[in-house]
Order: sequence, then structure tokens, then C-alpha cells
Amino acid sequence: DIQMTQSPSSLSASVGDRVTITCQASQDISNHLNWYQQKPGKAPKVLIYDASTLQTGVPSRFSGSGSGTDFTFTINSLQPEDIATYYCKHYDDLPPSFTFGPGTKVDIK
Amino acid sequence: EVQLVESGGGLVQPGGSLRLSCAATGFTFSNYWMTWVRQAPGKGLEWVANINLIGSETNYVDSVKGRFTISRDNAKNSLYLQMNSLRAEDTAVYYCTTVAGSCTNGVCYSLHFDSWGQGTLVTVSS
Repeated sequence: DIQMTQSPSSLSASVGDRVTITCQASQDISNHLNWYQQKPGKAPKVLIYDASTLQTGVPSRFSGSGSGTDFTFTINSLQPEDIATYYCKHYDDLPPSFTFGPGTKVDIK
Repeated sequence: EVQLVESGGGLVQPGGSLRLSCAATGFTFSNYWMTWVRQAPGKGLEWVANINLIGSETNYVDSVKGRFTISRDNAKNSLYLQMNSLRAEDTAVYYCTTVAGSCTNGVCYSLHFDSWGQGTLVTVSS
């Protein structure tokens, strides 16, 4: 089974800072990687799919990159409303199955 | 507007059963693969099961295989999760989600969970 790791597990940054989260797969997963945002007490929301495609309606300060085993998620100018936990998620084709990373909690300093 | 509304959660004793439902409105339900995702209190997200458009293919995380059954009724725009032999570690909020993207001839493209319900809490405790 493919394992997903994320780092850091938590971070604290100031409004306007650039925030970067990394996600690593235990083997090559091509671009089968999504990023989700979960605000406290709410359901998750997809931000990025196919490693770098921004979901419709998601602000452009969010971006994703990477392929293979190493992926990066960036918030270009952190806003107060970005306080949340961010998860990467991989999908397998045969059969379709999904594995979430452990999450990164983002706070405002 | 896409809406997914879960119901059926509650308190159940270890070894017991529960059936979750998810009512879908605002989109063509039969056009989407569907999934259940759960989140234990204070923990991360875990995919539980998925089902194809007509219910002929289902897949499960190893920890629930043989105990949980995902199903759907396209005539009623509803998704279900039958949970048997429940354990304390099944305690979680359970979300239903749509799956955007597609799978053809064993190859999948751009799969992601694009709409989520508000979740229903299942507590397994004596």
C-alpha cells in the first residue's frame, strides 16, 4: 500500500506570509494527488486536484506542484480565513481507492 | 445547488449495527461515483468505501472489509452505508461525498471529492 506523509504537522505564520506544506508518497503516484482544506467544525473542501489544478472558485493564492513522489502546496499570502487543517490525498486506479495524508494544521501567529 | 445530507448516526454498542443514509439533491446523482469518508474525534480523514455509478462495483478500506456495505438507490437519489459488527474504533463523523473525475477501462482520471455533506456522528460505546 502507498503511504502518504506530510510536513510539517503544524505551523504558525503571520498574515501575508507565504506558507508551504509538503506531501510525500512512498512510491511514484504520477499526479494523482489532491489537496483539501478543513476548517474547524466543517466538512473538508477540495482546493487542488491533479497535483496542480485549482478547483473552480478557489482563490488563486492557493497553488500546488509536484509529480511522482514529492508534492508541494503553497498559500501565497496567508489570510485569517485560511486557518484550517490541510490534507493531501492520493488515489489509486485499480481498484479506485484513496489515502489521505495525516494533515497539517495552519494557525496565525 | 448540490446538497448531500447524511442521517442515521447515533450511539450503538460494540458489535451492533447501524445504517447511514445520504440524500442527494441539486445534481444528477446517477452520474457520480460516491464515497464515504470518516473522521475520528480529533483525528484525520480516512476514506471508507466507494461505489460506481450503478452500484456494481464497490471498494473498501481494509479495516471495514466484511463488516461495512456501501450501496445506492439511484431512483431515490440516495447513498447508504450498512455498518455491522461495530467497534470502538469506528467512532467517527461519517461524510458522504461525490467523486468528480472518471474511470474508464480500469484507468481513472482527475478523481477528487468535490461535494461533501455535513457529516453524521457514529459513536460505538457500551
